[in-house]
Amino acid sequence: RKEVEQDPGPFNVPEGATVAFNCTYSNSASQSFFWYRQDCRKEPKLLMSVYSSGNEDGRFTAQLNRASQYISLLIRDSKLSDSATYLCVVLAGGSYIPTFGRGTSLIVHP
Amino acid sequence: EAGVVQSPRYKIIEKKQPVAFWCNPISGHNTLYWYLQNLGQGPELLIRYENEEAVDDSQLPKDRFSAERLKGVDSTLKIQPAELGDSAVYLCASSKDTSRNTGELFFGEGSRLTVL
Repeated sequence: RKEVEQDPGPFNVPEGATVAFNCTYSNSASQSFFWYRQDCRKEPKLLMSVYSSGNEDGRFTAQLNRASQYISLLIRDSKLSDSATYLCVVLAGGSYIPTFGRGTSLIVHP
Repeated sequence: EAGVVQSPRYKIIEKKQPVAFWCNPISGHNTLYWYLQNLGQGPELLIRYENEEAVDDSQLPKDRFSAERLKGVDSTLKIQPAELGDSAVYLCASSKDTSRNTGELFFGEGSRLTVL
């Protein structure tokens, strides 16, 4: 089983839709969690950190469920510019190695 | 502030040839990472440096891959000899935190390797 698992998608949604991605992790000692965004043929860039209490940044909401070992990303009112791959990143306790999921592809169409 | 700089951006070589990638991290970032990314996959860690010290290199195929970070700044990643399966994007990233990496990773644009 991979340390960090994501549904690769693609998730194909119309503009204005709400879409959610989940990411599961296997190491219960994981300490920190992040969502990164990667545009086609570009480098990954931090989208948002995921806090235990959940956090929101505009149209984006990230949540952590430690009991079930998953994190989620909710995008409301999708824009064409949201089309990208969303990478889940987990830092395991102790080693603090940033481990990436394979990413979930989102395509927002008119 | 300048970002992470990598070169070359693209490299095409024949199998069994050597290749080297260079990375200049953001000034003041002590931690440097080399990741490999295959198409449709997430980045996979090859090696992590804290200053000059390689602290995580268990995923680096040491029979053909080598890396160094002289003076704790720039880093090079070398493959010799390259194999067809090495075709991928090699990403360099840096971050401010050292022993407790709770911070953001800043990636370079990557070096895209094609082995023929």
